[in-house]
Amino acid sequence: DVKVTQSSRYLVKRTGEKVFLECVQDMDHENMFWYRQDPGLGLRLIYFSYDVKMKEKGDIPEGYSVSREKKERFSLILESASTNQTSMYLCASGRTFPSPLHFGNGTRLTVT
Amino acid sequence: SQQGEEDPQALSIQEGENATMNCSYKTSINNLQWYRQNSGRGLVHLILIRSNEREKHSGRLRVTLDTSKKSSSLLITASRAADTASYFCATDSGGSNYKLTFGKGTLLTVNP
Repeated sequence: DVKVTQSSRYLVKRTGEKVFLECVQDMDHENMFWYRQDPGLGLRLIYFSYDVKMKEKGDIPEGYSVSREKKERFSLILESASTNQTSMYLCASGRTFPSPLHFGNGTRLTVT
Repeated sequence: SQQGEEDPQALSIQEGENATMNCSYKTSINNLQWYRQNSGRGLVHLILIRSNEREKHSGRLRVTLDTSKKSSSLLITASRAADTASYFCATDSGGSNYKLTFGKGTLLTVNP
């Protein structure tokens, strides 16, 4: 079974802190994604990557950056956390489209 | 930007009944997928239907796609309490980079 592991289940950070969310997949997938999920808004794509060191902006990239130095790992960085970034963050990976995406269990981030 | 819109937002039925959820989208698609999310967890892929297909089955799931109406439906037959979850449709428009756009989801509650 494909496993997508997100480093933290719950995270509480203060406004202005730099926050790293880590995601690791074990199936050699080319594509990796970061979504955020908010009530009433569904899932919104922040960034995605289709290869090592490659990244593409999604629909809501502002305030975020990403890093993909190794194929299995995709990191989401909040340079200066703000309260409006309080959300559930979901990482996913997949093979060349239209293969299904495999999701991690999410990181619930609270910024106070 | 949201592509798919699920309808209804919430659905409550009794065990054994059938559940039908609908998804409408705005622009042409290559593929449409349905995912399920149990409370507080990541999404799990259920089924994929391509734009040249009209119907697909998988166990108790039946998906239809009407590209002329830009809509899809997911039917779960003989529902069980364990089917209680949120259900999302997701679309892609093809192209060289794989980008899935999700709707806001339908919350299905199956009462025992």
